Amino acid sequence: GAGVSQSPSNKVTEKGKDVELRCDPISGHTALYWYRQSLGQGLEFLIYFQGNSAPDKSGLPSDRFSAERTGGSVSTLTIQRTQQEDSAVYLCASSLGPLPDTQYFGPGTRLTVL
Amino acid sequence: AQSVTQPDIHITVSEGASLELRCNYSYGATPYLFWYVQSPGQGLQLLLKYFSGDTLVQGIKGFEAEFKRSQSSFNLRKPSVHWSDAAEYFCAVGYYNFNKFYFGSGTKLNVKP
Repeated sequence: GAGVSQSPSNKVTEKGKDVELRCDPISGHTALYWYRQSLGQGLEFLIYFQGNSAPDKSGLPSDRFSAERTGGSVSTLTIQRTQQEDSAVYLCASSLGPLPDTQYFGPGTRLTVL
Repeated sequence: AQSVTQPDIHITVSEGASLELRCNYSYGATPYLFWYVQSPGQGLQLLLKYFSGDTLVQGIKGFEAEFKRSQSSFNLRKPSVHWSDAAEYFCAVGYYNFNKFYFGSGTKLNVKP
């Protein structure tokens, strides 16, 4: 079966614009995760969905960041009024069961804010 | 606060030499521990995981890791490194009924011919 897919693979935007990043998890996986990986840094945990609900949104860096998941499948991470410090690779992962089940990662979306 | 520490940012070993990458976690509850590898241009791949039971776990590509509760450590080892092992390695920890997950900052492995 297909793995986790993310789109777009690369996104270049201007400061102040909004961006939407999409994640398609592995079919049948109930949990979905978003991470941010800045240059030379580890992975920063942003948010976790179990089904369509996110029990803890405190990992989102600011109120410009939001995420939703519909139908227990596709998820969108939206960044409003992008800033240069938002430039990073955004990784999505999914797992069959809830945390801390094994996560399978997508290839990431590289976001560059000019 | 819960966290994961990988004290070595870069490590260089010769091909054929043994390898040990260090990982320490800070929270005392029962951890679920993982090692992932990220090769250049590749996504993150699970190497191995520890949930319970035998504290020495075997993974893919000849890697193993040992959970030592007394030292809050989960070090990754390989007896003989291959050039294709050059990559960045991440240790990670989660906890049952806890809605977050923690990665270390990673260790970049360079393999000398």
